[in-house]
Amino acid sequence: DVKVTQSSRYLVKRTGEKVFLECVQDMDHENMFWYRQDPGLGLRLIYFSYDVKMKEKGDIPEGYSVSREKKERFSLILESASTNQTSMYLCASGHQGGTSIDTQYFGPGTRLTVL
Amino acid sequence: GNSVTQMEGPVTLSEEAFLTINCTYTATGYPSLFWYVQYPGEGLQLLLKATKADDKGSNKGFEATYRKETTSFHLEKGSVQVSDSAVYFCALESGGSYIPTFGRGTSLIVHP
Repeated sequence: DVKVTQSSRYLVKRTGEKVFLECVQDMDHENMFWYRQDPGLGLRLIYFSYDVKMKEKGDIPEGYSVSREKKERFSLILESASTNQTSMYLCASGHQGGTSIDTQYFGPGTRLTVL
Repeated sequence: GNSVTQMEGPVTLSEEAFLTINCTYTATGYPSLFWYVQYPGEGLQLLLKATKADDKGSNKGFEATYRKETTSFHLEKGSVQVSDSAVYFCALESGGSYIPTFGRGTSLIVHP
Protein backbone atom coordinates (compact mmCIF):
# COMPACT_ATOMS: atom_id res chain seq x y z
CA ASP A 1 0.00 0.00 0.00
CA VAL A 2 1.19 3.46 -0.88
CA LYS A 3 1.68 5.55 2.17
CA VAL A 4 1.86 9.31 2.46
CA THR A 5 2.35 10.55 5.99
CA GLN A 6 2.20 14.07 7.38
CA SER A 7 4.02 15.11 10.52
CA SER A 8 0.98 16.33 12.45
CA ARG A 9 -2.80 15.92 12.24
CA TYR A 10 -3.49 19.07 14.25
CA LEU A 11 -1.28 22.08 14.88
CA VAL A 12 -1.87 25.35 16.71
CA LYS A 13 0.58 28.21 16.20
CA ARG A 14 0.75 31.90 16.97
CA THR A 15 0.89 34.75 14.48
CA GLY A 16 4.44 35.39 13.33
CA GLU A 17 5.78 31.94 14.16
CA LYS A 18 7.71 29.92 11.58
CA VAL A 19 5.83 26.70 10.83
CA PHE A 20 7.13 23.51 9.25
CA LEU A 21 4.80 20.90 7.79
CA GLU A 22 6.48 17.69 6.69
CA CYS A 23 5.34 15.06 4.25
CA VAL A 24 6.93 11.68 3.54
CA GLN A 25 5.99 9.15 0.87
CA ASP A 26 7.25 5.59 0.57
CA MET A 27 6.60 4.82 -3.11
CA ASP A 28 9.59 6.48 -4.78
CA HIS A 29 7.27 8.96 -6.53
CA GLU A 30 8.86 11.74 -8.53
CA ASN A 31 6.08 14.30 -8.01
CA MET A 32 4.97 15.78 -4.71
CA PHE A 33 2.39 18.49 -4.03
CA TRP A 34 1.13 20.74 -1.28
CA TYR A 35 -2.49 21.91 -1.30
CA ARG A 36 -4.65 23.84 1.07
CA GLN A 37 -8.32 23.01 1.41
CA ASP A 38 -10.87 25.58 2.54
CA PRO A 39 -14.68 25.30 2.65
CA GLY A 40 -16.24 26.40 -0.62
CA LEU A 41 -12.88 26.76 -2.35
CA GLY A 42 -11.90 23.13 -2.84
CA LEU A 43 -8.21 22.29 -3.20
CA ARG A 44 -5.75 24.99 -4.17
CA LEU A 45 -2.22 24.13 -5.17
CA ILE A 46 0.49 25.91 -3.20
CA TYR A 47 3.68 24.34 -4.58
CA PHE A 48 4.75 21.19 -6.32
CA SER A 49 8.01 19.42 -6.98
CA TYR A 50 8.90 16.99 -9.76
CA ASP A 51 12.37 16.10 -8.53
CA VAL A 52 14.78 16.56 -5.66
CA LYS A 53 15.64 20.24 -5.15
CA MET A 54 13.14 21.24 -7.86
CA LYS A 55 10.04 23.26 -7.06
CA GLU A 56 7.36 25.11 -8.96
CA LYS A 57 4.83 27.64 -7.72
CA GLY A 58 1.20 26.68 -7.75
CA ASP A 59 -1.81 28.96 -7.65
CA ILE A 60 -1.27 30.47 -4.18
CA PRO A 61 2.44 30.41 -3.23
CA GLU A 62 2.50 33.75 -1.39
CA GLY A 63 3.52 33.38 2.24
CA TYR A 64 4.83 29.84 1.72
CA SER A 65 8.07 28.17 0.72
CA VAL A 66 9.03 24.53 0.22
CA SER A 67 12.02 22.26 0.48
CA ARG A 68 12.76 18.94 -1.16
CA GLU A 69 16.20 17.70 -0.16
CA LYS A 70 15.34 14.00 -0.50
CA LYS A 71 13.01 12.29 -2.95
CA GLU A 72 10.68 10.95 -0.28
CA ARG A 73 10.28 14.16 1.73
CA PHE A 74 8.59 17.45 0.85
CA SER A 75 8.33 20.20 3.44
CA LEU A 76 6.04 23.21 3.47
CA ILE A 77 7.24 26.26 5.38
CA LEU A 78 5.19 29.20 6.57
CA GLU A 79 7.86 31.84 7.13
CA SER A 80 5.67 34.01 9.37
CA ALA A 81 2.31 32.47 10.07
CA SER A 82 -0.79 34.64 9.75
CA THR A 83 -4.40 34.01 10.73
CA ASN A 84 -5.46 33.75 7.07
CA GLN A 85 -3.26 30.68 6.79
CA THR A 86 -5.55 28.77 9.12
CA SER A 87 -6.59 25.85 6.94
CA MET A 88 -6.35 22.15 6.17
CA TYR A 89 -3.08 21.32 4.41
CA LEU A 90 -2.89 18.24 2.23
CA CYS A 91 0.24 16.66 0.82
CA ALA A 92 0.12 14.37 -2.21
CA SER A 93 2.54 12.36 -4.29
CA GLY A 94 2.34 10.74 -7.69
CA HIS A 95 4.30 8.78 -10.23
CA GLN A 96 5.26 10.53 -13.42
CA GLY A 97 4.34 8.12 -16.16
CA GLY A 98 5.46 9.25 -19.58
CA THR A 99 4.27 12.78 -20.20
CA SER A 100 1.40 12.72 -17.72
CA ILE A 101 0.76 12.21 -14.08
CA ASP A 102 -0.89 9.08 -12.82
CA THR A 103 -3.05 8.85 -9.72
CA GLN A 104 -2.28 11.14 -6.81
CA TYR A 105 -1.94 9.69 -3.32
CA PHE A 106 -2.84 11.94 -0.43
CA GLY A 107 -1.78 12.15 3.18
CA PRO A 108 -4.38 12.50 5.95
CA GLY A 109 -3.97 16.26 6.18
CA THR A 110 -2.78 18.72 8.83
CA ARG A 111 -5.35 21.06 10.28
CA LEU A 112 -3.41 24.22 11.14
CA THR A 113 -4.86 26.94 13.34
CA VAL A 114 -3.01 30.24 13.61
CA LEU A 115 -4.05 32.37 16.58
CA GLY B 1 -6.72 26.66 -19.42
CA ASN B 2 -8.13 23.58 -17.75
CA SER B 3 -11.16 23.71 -15.48
CA VAL B 4 -13.56 21.34 -13.74
CA THR B 5 -17.11 22.23 -12.72
CA GLN B 6 -19.05 20.13 -10.25
CA MET B 7 -22.57 20.47 -9.01
CA GLU B 8 -22.77 22.27 -5.71
CA GLY B 9 -23.76 20.38 -2.62
CA PRO B 10 -24.62 19.18 -0.25
CA VAL B 11 -26.47 16.35 -1.91
CA THR B 12 -28.75 14.70 0.65
CA LEU B 13 -30.18 11.26 -0.02
CA SER B 14 -31.85 8.42 1.80
CA GLU B 15 -30.12 5.06 1.96
CA GLU B 16 -30.60 2.96 -1.22
CA ALA B 17 -31.38 6.02 -3.37
CA PHE B 18 -29.76 6.56 -6.78
CA LEU B 19 -26.86 9.00 -6.89
CA THR B 20 -25.66 11.27 -9.66
CA ILE B 21 -23.00 13.93 -9.16
CA ASN B 22 -22.42 15.98 -12.30
CA CYS B 23 -18.97 16.93 -13.52
CA THR B 24 -18.05 18.79 -16.68
CA TYR B 25 -14.64 19.91 -17.80
CA THR B 26 -12.68 22.13 -20.14
CA ALA B 27 -9.26 20.94 -21.18
CA THR B 28 -6.65 21.08 -23.89
CA GLY B 29 -5.77 17.81 -25.56
CA TYR B 30 -7.08 14.52 -24.26
CA PRO B 31 -7.22 14.57 -20.48
CA SER B 32 -7.38 11.71 -18.02
CA LEU B 33 -10.37 12.05 -15.68
CA PHE B 34 -10.63 11.08 -12.03
CA TRP B 35 -13.04 10.92 -9.14
CA TYR B 36 -11.56 11.19 -5.66
CA VAL B 37 -13.38 10.72 -2.36
CA GLN B 38 -12.61 12.30 1.01
CA TYR B 39 -14.16 10.64 4.06
CA PRO B 40 -14.51 12.76 7.22
CA GLY B 41 -11.16 13.50 8.83
CA GLU B 42 -9.12 11.91 6.05
CA GLY B 43 -7.19 12.87 2.93
CA LEU B 44 -8.45 12.25 -0.59
CA GLN B 45 -8.25 8.81 -2.15
CA LEU B 46 -8.80 7.73 -5.71
CA LEU B 47 -12.26 6.30 -6.35
CA LEU B 48 -12.07 5.66 -10.09
CA LYS B 49 -10.52 6.99 -13.27
CA ALA B 50 -10.78 6.87 -17.06
CA THR B 51 -8.03 7.73 -19.50
CA LYS B 52 -9.77 7.94 -22.87
CA ALA B 53 -13.12 8.71 -24.45
CA ASP B 54 -15.93 6.18 -23.79
CA ASP B 55 -13.93 4.47 -21.03
CA LYS B 56 -15.95 3.61 -17.94
CA GLY B 57 -14.27 3.71 -14.56
CA SER B 58 -15.85 1.75 -11.73
CA ASN B 59 -15.15 0.92 -8.10
CA LYS B 60 -17.21 0.08 -4.96
CA GLY B 61 -20.46 0.29 -6.95
CA PHE B 62 -19.64 3.76 -8.31
CA GLU B 63 -19.13 4.34 -12.01
CA ALA B 64 -18.46 7.18 -14.41
CA THR B 65 -18.15 7.29 -18.20
CA TYR B 66 -15.77 9.58 -20.06
CA ARG B 67 -17.97 11.48 -22.52
CA LYS B 68 -15.87 13.52 -24.91
CA GLU B 69 -18.82 14.86 -26.89
CA THR B 70 -20.39 16.43 -23.80
CA THR B 71 -17.08 16.93 -21.92
CA SER B 72 -18.58 15.21 -18.90
CA PHE B 73 -17.64 12.57 -16.34
CA HIS B 74 -20.72 12.18 -14.12
CA LEU B 75 -20.46 9.96 -11.06
CA GLU B 76 -23.30 7.46 -10.44
CA LYS B 77 -24.21 4.79 -7.93
CA GLY B 78 -27.36 2.73 -8.01
CA SER B 79 -27.93 2.38 -4.27
CA VAL B 80 -26.06 4.58 -1.79
CA GLN B 81 -25.21 3.61 1.78
CA VAL B 82 -24.69 5.72 4.89
CA SER B 83 -20.99 4.86 4.64
CA ASP B 84 -20.82 6.68 1.27
CA SER B 85 -21.24 10.00 3.06
CA ALA B 86 -18.16 11.97 2.05
CA VAL B 87 -16.93 14.76 -0.22
CA TYR B 88 -16.41 13.78 -3.86
CA PHE B 89 -13.93 15.58 -6.12
CA CYS B 90 -13.82 15.41 -9.90
CA ALA B 91 -10.38 16.04 -11.41
CA LEU B 92 -8.52 16.00 -14.69
CA GLU B 93 -4.93 15.83 -15.82
CA SER B 94 -4.06 16.98 -19.29
CA GLY B 95 -0.94 15.37 -20.75
CA GLY B 96 2.18 17.37 -20.27
CA SER B 97 0.80 19.78 -17.66
CA TYR B 98 2.11 17.82 -14.63
CA ILE B 99 -0.56 19.52 -12.54
CA PRO B 100 -4.03 18.03 -11.92
CA THR B 101 -7.04 20.32 -11.86
CA PHE B 102 -9.67 19.63 -9.19
CA GLY B 103 -13.30 20.64 -8.96
CA ARG B 104 -14.51 22.27 -5.75
CA GLY B 105 -15.96 19.07 -4.35
CA THR B 106 -19.52 17.91 -3.69
CA SER B 107 -20.60 16.86 -0.23
CA LEU B 108 -22.84 13.79 -0.08
CA ILE B 109 -24.93 13.07 3.02
CA VAL B 110 -26.79 9.78 3.18
CA HIS B 111 -29.46 9.29 5.85
CA PRO B 112 -30.57 5.89 7.15
